[in-house]
Amino acid sequence: KAGVTQTPRYLIKTRGQQVTLSCSPISGHRSVSWYQQTPGQGLQFLFEYFSETQRNKGNFPGRFSGRQFSNSRSEMNVSTLELGDSALYLCASSHRDGGELFFGEGSRLTVL
Amino acid sequence: QKEVEQNSGPLSVPEGAIASLNCTYSDRGSQSFFWYRQYSGKSPELIMFIYSNGDKEDGRFTAQLNKASQYVSLLIRDSQPSDSATYLCAVNRDNAGNMLTFGGGTRLMVKP
Repeated sequence: KAGVTQTPRYLIKTRGQQVTLSCSPISGHRSVSWYQQTPGQGLQFLFEYFSETQRNKGNFPGRFSGRQFSNSRSEMNVSTLELGDSALYLCASSHRDGGELFFGEGSRLTVL
Repeated sequence: QKEVEQNSGPLSVPEGAIASLNCTYSDRGSQSFFWYRQYSGKSPELIMFIYSNGDKEDGRFTAQLNKASQYVSLLIRDSQPSDSATYLCAVNRDNAGNMLTFGGGTRLMVKP
């Protein structure tokens, strides 16, 4: 069974631009979560989608948004990029509630 | 006070020894507890989860939970150099889907 796939793996943007990251979950997994990982703040929860609905949201500004499609694939978008948005963005899928997550390799975003 | 606290380490143990990793949490509503392992440059992978007070063993790994003390630990017996990684403690509230709160992680170094 294929794992969680995230694209792109690396990207460089400049301040003020926007970015869209994509995540394909493990087949059959309906929950997709997004996390931001930075050296200073560690792993922080962004949001979770289940059956195309945002089920939980972390404490991030409205510039961070996401969506989930009917095939469970998910995208997250960050608008008006700031230098502090430079991070590894991890997508995780799960077949059940409770926190047993399978992470993708991540999308490393650098904002210049 | 962070919601989930871990000693950042590094924790250095000789090969064959027992590595003991600790985690405390502040939210008494936490119901599920997880240990993820993250190798340098890789994404986190789930190694253990525990829901009830007491010990749970899986191979060389033992997770221990004490809800009264709000304390979770991970013991790694017969530590191997391949166990060298950052270990992330995470907690999940009941009815919170897959929204996890992570600690900052403890870096473990197992020396041959």
